[in-house]
Amino acid sequence: NAGVTQTPKFRILKIGQSMTLQCAQDMNHNYMYWYRQDPGMGLKLIYYSVGAGITDKGEVPNGYNVSRSTTEDFPLRLELAAPSQTSVYFCASSYKTGYTGELFFGEGSRLTVL
Amino acid sequence: EDQVTQSPEALRLQEGESSSLNCSYTVSGLRGLFWYRQDPGKGPEFLFTLYSAGEEKEKERLKATLTKKESFLHITAPKPEDSATYLCAVQAPRGSEKLVFGKGTKLTVNP
Repeated sequence: NAGVTQTPKFRILKIGQSMTLQCAQDMNHNYMYWYRQDPGMGLKLIYYSVGAGITDKGEVPNGYNVSRSTTEDFPLRLELAAPSQTSVYFCASSYKTGYTGELFFGEGSRLTVL
Repeated sequence: EDQVTQSPEALRLQEGESSSLNCSYTVSGLRGLFWYRQDPGKGPEFLFTLYSAGEEKEKERLKATLTKKESFLHITAPKPEDSATYLCAVQAPRGSEKLVFGKGTKLTVNP
């Protein structure tokens, strides 16, 4: 099992550009999440999904969009990138239909917006 | 508002010097408290889940405990490979899928 795979690992964007961060998991997990981690701050939930076709907002959804067309994939779309979106983005998934807090994280995507 | 505060922000230990990390929380209807380990440049790795006051979990040199207001991560005779940032998170009340994370404690164990 590869676990949770994120691409790209690093990306530099110019202000106003758009991009998609890819996330795939091969553990057949129902739940998937996108978090961002800023220096000296705790992880903040952007969006999450409880299954294919179902997504919901987290704490900091503004400027982002997601889709979940398959169980395996959960891409995060950044529209009109802003410097405030400079961060490390983590995708995660969890196993049980009842939420246990045991998340499996990818290695992160480091995004810089200049 | 649900909050998680971890202390200290950073801790430097000598190999074999035991200590504890603290996670205090304010959340109504705690459904679970979780500890993760994060190595530089990596995603967090799950360590423990604690559900109720008085509960304890152990893994190698780590032991996590929970009271009604805080959790401790005790590290016994640490080794340099225990160096990492340790994150604490709490699960919000039923109906929410959100985990509230603390800022973490960066642990450095010197040989």
